[in-house]
Amino acid sequence: EAGVAQSPRYKIIEKRQSVAFWCNPISGHATLYWYQQILGQGPKLLIQFQNNGVVDDSQLPKDRFSAERLKGVDSTLKIQPAKLEDSAVYLCASSLDRGDYEQYFGPGTRLTVT
Amino acid sequence: AQSVSQHNHHVILSEAASLELGCNYSYGGTVNLFWYVQYPGQHLQLLLKYFSGDPLVKGIKGFEAEFIKSKFSFNLRKPSVQWSDTAEYFCAVLKRSQGNLIFGKGTKLSVKP
Repeated sequence: EAGVAQSPRYKIIEKRQSVAFWCNPISGHATLYWYQQILGQGPKLLIQFQNNGVVDDSQLPKDRFSAERLKGVDSTLKIQPAKLEDSAVYLCASSLDRGDYEQYFGPGTRLTVT
Repeated sequence: AQSVSQHNHHVILSEAASLELGCNYSYGGTVNLFWYVQYPGQHLQLLLKYFSGDPLVKGIKGFEAEFIKSKFSFNLRKPSVQWSDTAEYFCAVLKRSQGNLIFGKGTKLSVKP
């Protein structure tokens, strides 16, 4: 079974630039998550999708971050404009459904904002 | 606000030593509990989980964890660590019916050969 795919693996941008990350979840998984992991901390949920609808985006900084999962499969997360404090690893995860289901994580995208 | 606390930032052990990593959470409702591991250069992967039933949970690679409801704790244990256990370990709590995991800050384990 193929795992969660993410690209790019690494990205370096200057502040105020924009950046986009892509995630392809495990086939058949209805729920998709984006997490932000700042160095020295655990992952923090940014947004959760159920199929192509947003379930929870309460911790997404909506003035600069946006995410979509238009066809209920793959997803993109965008930052525009980026700030220095956005430097982090962005993790995508998927699960079969909401609730009591294991989340499978992708390798992450390491973003450095200079 | 609910939180997950991991007591140790960095633990250094020699091979064959016993391991216990502490995890406490503050949420008072019904929760599912997890330990995830991230080996150097690899993805986060599930080590073990507790949903209900026997509070002593066994996971992969000889790890186990005990859920003590009265103490809001879910400590991870292994009787004898190996060099290959060197990794970062994250405790996480999932509120039932919501699906959003709340992670602790992680504990880095270094095992000396």
